[in-house]
Amino acid sequence: SSELTQDPAVSVALGQTVRITCQGDSLRNYYASWYQQKPGQAPVLVISGKNNRPSGIPDRFSGSSSGNTASLTITGAQAEDEADYYCNCRDNSDNHLVFGGGTKLTVL
Amino acid sequence: QVQLQESGPGLVKPSQTLSLTCTVSGGSISSGGYYWNWIRQHPGKGLEWIGYIYHSGSTYYNPSLKSRLSISVDTSKNHFSLKLSSVTAADTAVYYCARFKQQLQDTRYYYAMDVWGQGTTVTVSS
Repeated sequence: SSELTQDPAVSVALGQTVRITCQGDSLRNYYASWYQQKPGQAPVLVISGKNNRPSGIPDRFSGSSSGNTASLTITGAQAEDEADYYCNCRDNSDNHLVFGGGTKLTVL
Repeated sequence: QVQLQESGPGLVKPSQTLSLTCTVSGGSISSGGYYWNWIRQHPGKGLEWIGYIYHSGSTYYNPSLKSRLSISVDTSKNHFSLKLSSVTAADTAVYYCARFKQQLQDTRYYYAMDVWGQGTTVTVSS
């Protein structure tokens, strides 16, 4: 089965740009989706597909994909963006889904 | 808009079966081409996909849980359920339900879980 690899922790200065990455073989064939999770809350979808933002998600969130890597970019990070971020995708060989291990974003 | 709500016992004894239900409100579980998922999160850890079901009853399970897992759907009650047998302390987690629809964009599919339940904490302990 496929795995999705994320950096455990990333930090960004307030107002700066940060990129969170997700690597895995299945990302060559499928787009990732990205979720934001704050402590004690359920995950929230922030980016899906090529670069689709659900209603209510600020446009400072964007997504991209190249080869086996999907990226979530936050342009002008805000204090409220401090959270855990997860990618997910379908497994390459069957209909299973998989999540990345998550990235803890700290806004300094 | 569609909302999901998990329900079930918060405490389960080791070796017993964990049973949870996710009730769908604001829409029909049978419409829209959605797949209905269970996901869990161990304390302080990341998200783990458990499995999903389509309204027709087709299921797909995480291989690591498949031998103990059963997911079912009751369209008349607009809910779907999870049963995990022979539980141990390692099954202690927050359990979420969520939905996704397989979508195609530029020749590639994606599987975005756009609606989630609030989660329910299950502790396995005697």
